Amino acid sequence: NAGVMQNPRHLVRRRGQEARLRCSPMKGHSHVYWYRQLPEEGLKFMVYLQKENIIDESGMPKERFSAEFPKEGPSILRIQQVVRGDSAAYFCASSPWDRGYGYTFGSGTRLTVV
Amino acid sequence: DQQVKQNSPSLSVQEGRISILNCDYTNSMFDYFLWYKKYPAEGPTFLISISSIKDKNEDGRFTVFLNKSAKHLSLHIVPSQPGDSAVYFCAASPSQKAAGNKLTFGGGTRVLVKP
Repeated sequence: NAGVMQNPRHLVRRRGQEARLRCSPMKGHSHVYWYRQLPEEGLKFMVYLQKENIIDESGMPKERFSAEFPKEGPSILRIQQVVRGDSAAYFCASSPWDRGYGYTFGSGTRLTVV
Repeated sequence: DQQVKQNSPSLSVQEGRISILNCDYTNSMFDYFLWYKKYPAEGPTFLISISSIKDKNEDGRFTVFLNKSAKHLSLHIVPSQPGDSAVYFCAASPSQKAAGNKLTFGGGTRVLVKP
């Protein structure tokens, strides 16, 4: 039973390019969360999705960032026209509906914008 | 506005001794608290949690204490082992069910256990 799978592990993009980060939740988990960790900081909530639905995107920057969790396939976090300040570790987590004591994180994607 | 704070960025402790990690919060709506452990290049791993109806929860070497009136919680690791060297994050949520939703994290405490 594989855990939460994120890819790529490392992603380098030039300023102005697009970054696509993928997350496959654990089997049986229908809820996906994205968090961002800036250098020397804690994790900050970005967005919470269920299949084909965005439930809470209160932590998403208003521009350039979008997320989806289609009926089939992984969840995608998309960052358009990346800037240096987007450099961070992006973590995905998943949970089943009735899990009330936290969820399982993936190993993260480290995005570097050069 | 940091709603969850871990004021000690790092902690060094001798193997076999107790590690005490502290966490303070400001939002009185927080009702459920979790500790996560994170190794470099890995995602956070759930360690232990506590609901506001309790003041203590224990799991093996790990004990979490909650002082709701002071809005303070702590994690005790006894005895500390070299494998405990990691970054520990405190997190909070409005309720146990909502802990399946959005968590607010502290900035983390880096623990180094010396052999």
